[in-house]
Amino acid sequence: DAGVTQSPTHLIKTRGQHVTLRCSPISGHKSVSWYQQVLGQGPQFIFQYYEKEERGRGNFPDRFSARQFPNYSSELNVNALLLGDSALYLCASSLRSSLQTDYGYTFGSGTRLTVV
Amino acid sequence: GIQVEQSPPDLILQEGANSTLRCNFSDSVNNLQWFHQNPWGQLINLFYIPSGTKQNGRLSATTVATERYSLLYISSSQTTDSGVYFCAAFYGGATNKLIFGTGTLLAVQP
Repeated sequence: DAGVTQSPTHLIKTRGQHVTLRCSPISGHKSVSWYQQVLGQGPQFIFQYYEKEERGRGNFPDRFSARQFPNYSSELNVNALLLGDSALYLCASSLRSSLQTDYGYTFGSGTRLTVV
Repeated sequence: GIQVEQSPPDLILQEGANSTLRCNFSDSVNNLQWFHQNPWGQLINLFYIPSGTKQNGRLSATTVATERYSLLYISSSQTTDSGVYFCAAFYGGATNKLIFGTGTLLAVQP
């Protein structure tokens, strides 16, 4: 079985541009979450989607948005890119939105975004 | 706010040595995971451990939820164990997110 797949793996964008990152969860997983990891820090929660609905949102500006499709894949969009948006963007999938009876999150390899 | 702290921040070991990494969390958690992030950035799930003890080969983990801490044990360390180890606490309800600790950077020398 394929794990969590993310695309692209690397991306270079210019300040002010827009970027779309993509994630496909593990087959059968209905929940997708997005995390941002700045160099030297732990990942920070951006969004969680479950059954195509937003179930959680972190402390990120409105320039960040996401959506989940009927096949449970997801896109993260970032508008008006800033230098500070340079980071590793990680996608995680889980069976359900709550981990209380789950087996935890499985993360993809991430998309490394560089804003110049 | 909710905080997850790890210690030590850095650790250097000789191959074959044992180590214990600690994770403290500031509030009651629904669940806890340990991850290993390799040099390429991949976060690998080591343990999903809301409470009790689990073992997987040379690694084991113990979570004492009532005392708000978790421990990760690495025995007979190998150079491939190098990387950053994160614990992450899951707070459900309205937040529904993992809160990651500060990480422990482990370097295992041959």
